[in-house]
Amino acid sequence: AQKITQTQPGMFVQEKEAVTLDCTYDTSDPSYGLFWYKQPSSGEMIFLIYQGSYDQQNATEGRYSLNFQKARKSANLVISASQLGDSAMYFCAMRLDSNYQLIWGAGTKLIIKP
Amino acid sequence: DTEVTQTPKHLVMGMTNKKSLKCEQHMGHRAMYWYKQKAKKPPELMFVYSYEKLSINESVPSRFSPECPNSSLLNLHLHALQPEDSALYLCASSQDGLGTGENNEQFFGPGTRLTVL
Repeated sequence: AQKITQTQPGMFVQEKEAVTLDCTYDTSDPSYGLFWYKQPSSGEMIFLIYQGSYDQQNATEGRYSLNFQKARKSANLVISASQLGDSAMYFCAMRLDSNYQLIWGAGTKLIIKP
Repeated sequence: DTEVTQTPKHLVMGMTNKKSLKCEQHMGHRAMYWYKQKAKKPPELMFVYSYEKLSINESVPSRFSPECPNSSLLNLHLHALQPEDSALYLCASSQDGLGTGENNEQFFGPGTRLTVL
């Protein structure tokens, strides 16, 4: 069965520090995509970064990078130089090539301390 | 225009009311989605429209009725809701319903916070 696991329900990080949010996934399908979304308290779900299962290089988008370790089935999100505005809920999600449904993790609530 | 808009932002309704949630996108996306999200939980998929046809209905009660009048609009008609239906309702769209790829990520609207009294 397909599953996404986020083991950190909550994290506190000092402003300007880097932070790693963990995500592991389980699937036997060879072709899939992994997504990270940010959800501030306002409610909007904001797409951050995508990694395809066949991508050779780790995805990067500005201060966001995805540490993709296929053999370990992990897709951790790294935020460099954290800012107060990074405080939000972060969801990891997976989508199989054969299906257009997103499988979501439980989320990690990140709080950046000044 | 790279956004999904949703109206209203907040909605309070009684159990006997009929109301509608609206969602609009002008990105030329061919798949649109309705999600329900309870506090501190991930979104739960309700419906998917692909090329204006209902493709997925995740066993949603009939008191929720989706409608896709055209490729840019998605409505969710609400009737005889229960207090447990109170949640954030998120609309999303993607370029194509099938397949993966970076250009197929789902773009979400800001949501409608629904309270059923």
